Amino acid sequence: DSGVTQTPKHLITATGQRVTLRCSPRSGDLSVYWYQQSLDQGLQFLIQYYNGEERAKGNILERFSAQQFPDLHSELNLSSLELGDSALYFCASSVVVGGTEAFFGQGTRLTVV
Amino acid sequence: GENVEQHPSTLSVQEGDSAVIKCTYSDSASNYFPWYKQELGKGPQLIIDIRSNVGEKKDQRIAVTLNKTAKHFSLHITETQPEDSAVYFCAAALMNTGNQFYFGTGTSLTVIP
Repeated sequence: DSGVTQTPKHLITATGQRVTLRCSPRSGDLSVYWYQQSLDQGLQFLIQYYNGEERAKGNILERFSAQQFPDLHSELNLSSLELGDSALYFCASSVVVGGTEAFFGQGTRLTVV
Repeated sequence: GENVEQHPSTLSVQEGDSAVIKCTYSDSASNYFPWYKQELGKGPQLIIDIRSNVGEKKDQRIAVTLNKTAKHFSLHITETQPEDSAVYFCAAALMNTGNQFYFGTGTSLTVIP
C-alpha cells in the first residue's frame, strides 16, 4: 500500500458527461501529480500541484481541470467526455516539488460508453 | 523538454536468468532517476531510484546504473522469478523544481518458469 488513495476505483459513464476523480496524498506529501494511462500507452503527465498551487502542466485537455484543496487532497475533473478519454488515471504524491520519491495510487479506471 | 527512451518494449527471460532494461534521457540537468514496476491492474510501484551523484545502487536482486556522460541508465534484475513479471517504467526528473517526472514507454517483462 503506497498510502495514496484514489476514488472511485472504477467509473463507467456516457459520452458528454462530467466526472470527478479524487486523490488523497500520503500523509505529509505536499505535491500531487495526475497521470493518464491509456491502453498500451505509457504514463502521460497531466498536471501537478504543490501545496494548493498549480506547478506544472502537461498534455492536459481544456476539457480537463484539477485543483488541490487546503487539506491537500486533489480532484481531477473531466468534462464533455469522449470515448477516447477511457483510460486509467493515476495520482501520485511526493513530499516536495519535483523529484524525490513519488508514490502512486491504485488508479481510477474510467470507461466512457 | 526532457525525452526518455526505454528499450526493449518487451522482454522474455527464463527463470533464474538476468534481465536488463535500458533508458536514455536528453536533458543533462535531470538528476533523479526512479524505476517503477506496474503489475496488472495496479498502480506503478517505486522499486529503486538513483541520484546523479551516484553511479550505481543495489537492492537485493535489483540494481540500477547511471552513466551521466552518456545520459543513460539501466535496471538490472538478477535471478529472475515469475513474480518479477510486470511492466517496468523508467523516469527522469529534476529534483526540487516544479518539473514533473518524465516516463519511458515501459518494458513488459515476462519470466518463464
